[in-house]
Amino acid sequence: GAVVSQHPSRVICKSGTSVKIECRSLDFQATTMFWYRQFPKQSLMLMATSNEGSKATYEQGVEKDKFLINHASLTLSTLTVTSAHPEDSSFYICSATNREAKETQYFGPGTRLLVL
Amino acid sequence: GQNIDQPTEMTATEGAIVQINCTYQTSGFNGLFWYQQHAGEAPTFLSYNVLDGLEEKGRFSSFLSRSKGYSYLLLKELQMKDSASYLCAVRGLTGGSYIPTFGRGTSLIVHP
Repeated sequence: GAVVSQHPSRVICKSGTSVKIECRSLDFQATTMFWYRQFPKQSLMLMATSNEGSKATYEQGVEKDKFLINHASLTLSTLTVTSAHPEDSSFYICSATNREAKETQYFGPGTRLLVL
Repeated sequence: GQNIDQPTEMTATEGAIVQINCTYQTSGFNGLFWYQQHAGEAPTFLSYNVLDGLEEKGRFSSFLSRSKGYSYLLLKELQMKDSASYLCAVRGLTGGSYIPTFGRGTSLIVHP
């Protein structure tokens, strides 16, 4: 099956700093990438939908200036958490949709962010 | 908007069969997915239904009734490793795009 990687897998940072998370589709071209956030024992909350070469579409309540998303190529999307605060600590997961298999999302392994 | 409902927790015995239900309300239905998620890991794809009926894949089967807004995931010959959270996700039309929405997940505990 298709493989999606995320980097870093875990990051600890100080409050006020910015953190960039990369999401890559390793063996397919991803027309669309999704960014999710998941708090403990809760479901995946969609933050934004990212299409290659265009601006991301953010869900209601998600600050676009705080969560910067760039989808520069068909294999890479990045999420930058700017001026991170402790309440931003969460599990961030990306997923990608394959051109040939639009039905299925392939998930990355997730990035655990802890803001001190 | 979309609304997805599934039980919070279920327990079952190793070797048994368990059925996890999911009911949903959505506009512009375009598919229902089941994912398995172990603690601290990302979800892995289990099944996809877009037409009514049963899809079987090994020990896992998924059923869909679009008229009833209902799906279930059936797990047979349960193994200890099947202990995980099972997420039902529905793709519906939101703002002109088909966006998947996840339910809260059902935590399945398999005991010996």
